[in-house]
Amino acid sequence: LAKTTQPISMDSYEGQEVNITCSHNNIATNDYITWYQQFPSQGPRFIIQGYKTKVTNEVASLFIPADRKSSTLSLPRVSLSDTAVYYCLVGDLSSGSARQLTFGSGTQLTVLP
Amino acid sequence: EADIYQTPRYLVIGTGKKITLECSQTMGHDKMYWYQQDPGMELHLIHYSYGVNSTEKGDLSSESTVSRIRTEHFPLTLESARPSHTSQYLCASSGHGAFGQPQHFGDGTRLSIL
Repeated sequence: LAKTTQPISMDSYEGQEVNITCSHNNIATNDYITWYQQFPSQGPRFIIQGYKTKVTNEVASLFIPADRKSSTLSLPRVSLSDTAVYYCLVGDLSSGSARQLTFGSGTQLTVLP
Repeated sequence: EADIYQTPRYLVIGTGKKITLECSQTMGHDKMYWYQQDPGMELHLIHYSYGVNSTEKGDLSSESTVSRIRTEHFPLTLESARPSHTSQYLCASSGHGAFGQPQHFGDGTRLSIL
């Protein structure tokens, strides 16, 4: 199982770009990287998923270097409502077992006014 | 938005009771999951299902059981609740394809056993 390591917490100010990095040194060839956002008293919500280089959608970008041992979630111009816990998940999309999917401990992002 | 529902949202109940946590999804997803999450802690997979009549245990040992008789329904049962079962239980589903497809989560059931 590819174990992930994230910072426990980060603070930012409204309007700034926030980058959250996840380390996954033993990522396997078939593993994809997925990020989720979780607000208190709610289930996680999918943000973005990628395999290599860069992926961008309407809410975030995901940067993955060539060695794929880390990934960075980039949130442009954060607002107070982006205060949440962000989870990095590494797993094999082609796996026949959900036991290959492991959530890390997450990063608590606090956006300050 | 994903349509996955969990009931009840909150449950406070005494030790020894039998409890069933309900989870339903209307997306026709074949894969469903149960996670356990303590406050401020990471999610731990306790059960998952490939489809109807197919269930497996996750990484975290759990005294709960699950069933998957219908595609849309994946209930979790505790035969005799204990204080150690106090936690938040999150249900999720994902679409056709491998387990790595993005999961859609319900808002959870916060369970307190007295």
